[in-house]
Amino acid sequence: DAKTTQPNSMESNEEEPVHLPCNHSTISGTDYIHWYRQLPSQGPEYVIHGLTSNVNNRMASLAIAEDRKSSTLILHRATLRDAAVYYCILYRYNFNKFYFGSGTKLNVKP
Amino acid sequence: DTEVTQTPKHLVMGMTNKKSLKCEQHMGHRAMYWYKQKAKKPPELMFVYSYEKLSINESVPSRFSPECPNSSLLNLHLHALQPEDSALYLCASSQSGGGSYNEQFFGPGTRLTVL
Repeated sequence: DAKTTQPNSMESNEEEPVHLPCNHSTISGTDYIHWYRQLPSQGPEYVIHGLTSNVNNRMASLAIAEDRKSSTLILHRATLRDAAVYYCILYRYNFNKFYFGSGTKLNVKP
Repeated sequence: DTEVTQTPKHLVMGMTNKKSLKCEQHMGHRAMYWYKQKAKKPPELMFVYSYEKLSINESVPSRFSPECPNSSLLNLHLHALQPEDSALYLCASSQSGGGSYNEQFFGPGTRLTVL
């Protein structure tokens, strides 16, 4: 099975950048890297995804290592509303399955 | 409307009860999912429906019975549950059952307690 490894928790100051790492050494060539976050008392929500190249959207950036065995989610300026559990996920599209990591709980200090 | 709704928000049931969880989406999505999430753990996939047909059953015990009456609705029928089945049950939907980009939209979940 596909597996991702993430730190249990991280802390950041408000308005500073945050780099959330993820290891996925067993990634296969057809696996997409997805990131979702789960705010308290809510279901997970999509943040960003990528295959090989770095990706940017209005929420975040995703930096993918050249060998694809790790990736980093970058929040450019953390706000208090970004406090959540961030899941790094391998999406095996030919099986339509998400393989969730254990998640990183991000705490943002004012 | 980019919302997935789930009812009820909370459910307490005894081990001999029969109850159902309901999930609804009006985004025209053709894939729908049930996940189970225990406290401080990631969601675990239970079932996937694609075009109203069950496409994935992750070896879920038969006391959980999914149903997809139409493309907008997903039910999870519960019978003879155990206390260890207490968890947050999340429903999600996506545009299709596969493809390279498959953003899943999650509902807020039903918090189930089995006594």
